[in-house]
Amino acid sequence: DQQVKQNSPSLSVQEGRISILNCDYTNSMFDYFLWYKKYPAEGPTFLISISSIKDKNEDGRFTVFLNKSAKHLSLHIVPSQPGDSAVYFCAATSGSRLTFGEGTQLTVNP
Amino acid sequence: GAGVSQTPSNKVTEKGKYVELRCDPISGHTALYWYRQSLGQGPEFLIYFQGTGAADDSGLPNDRFFAVRPEGSVSTLKIQRTERGDSAVYLCASSQPGGPYGYNEQFFGPGTRLTVL
Repeated sequence: DQQVKQNSPSLSVQEGRISILNCDYTNSMFDYFLWYKKYPAEGPTFLISISSIKDKNEDGRFTVFLNKSAKHLSLHIVPSQPGDSAVYFCAATSGSRLTFGEGTQLTVNP
Repeated sequence: GAGVSQTPSNKVTEKGKYVELRCDPISGHTALYWYRQSLGQGPEFLIYFQGTGAADDSGLPNDRFFAVRPEGSVSTLKIQRTERGDSAVYLCASSQPGGPYGYNEQFFGPGTRLTVL
């Protein structure tokens, strides 16, 4: 069963606008959530995270929102830049191992 | 400082052969993880080492897969009698103990792309 799902395989936005990437999960035991960014031929790079005791975490242009009752989190990037074009993975954990979603390919057009 | 390194970067083998994939974690990181990423999917957990011992190997798909970390640093993922379905990118990650909320950020290597013909 897919415990972490990213239902949008791709997203295209204009430079300067907001990018919103979504993620849903089913396992109530997850207590920490992360977003990773991946460029081709490179490993995933940590972007931002949030604990289940919070509902928002912000770091520069990146903000992650967590809605525990809906088991939903989202990543907002504003303003979007062409260098943000990459695959974004949502991940969750209740211990050490990470459970990843399928990824969303974000393309930011100049 | 140096990040997580993995060798080889690409490996092509024939069905039925044995392969070894190597991971060099970040110096001082006691935890080491192996994940497998198939085309169009997110990374999937295989095994986690804390020091020299496998703390969680529940993600290994079957007994053809085995991993070791004899000195608590470098790890080798070993796949026997490879099958075409084993073709994927094998990712290694390492982390330090401790961290906020008990979670330790995992740093990933670039992966080894395994192709079984």
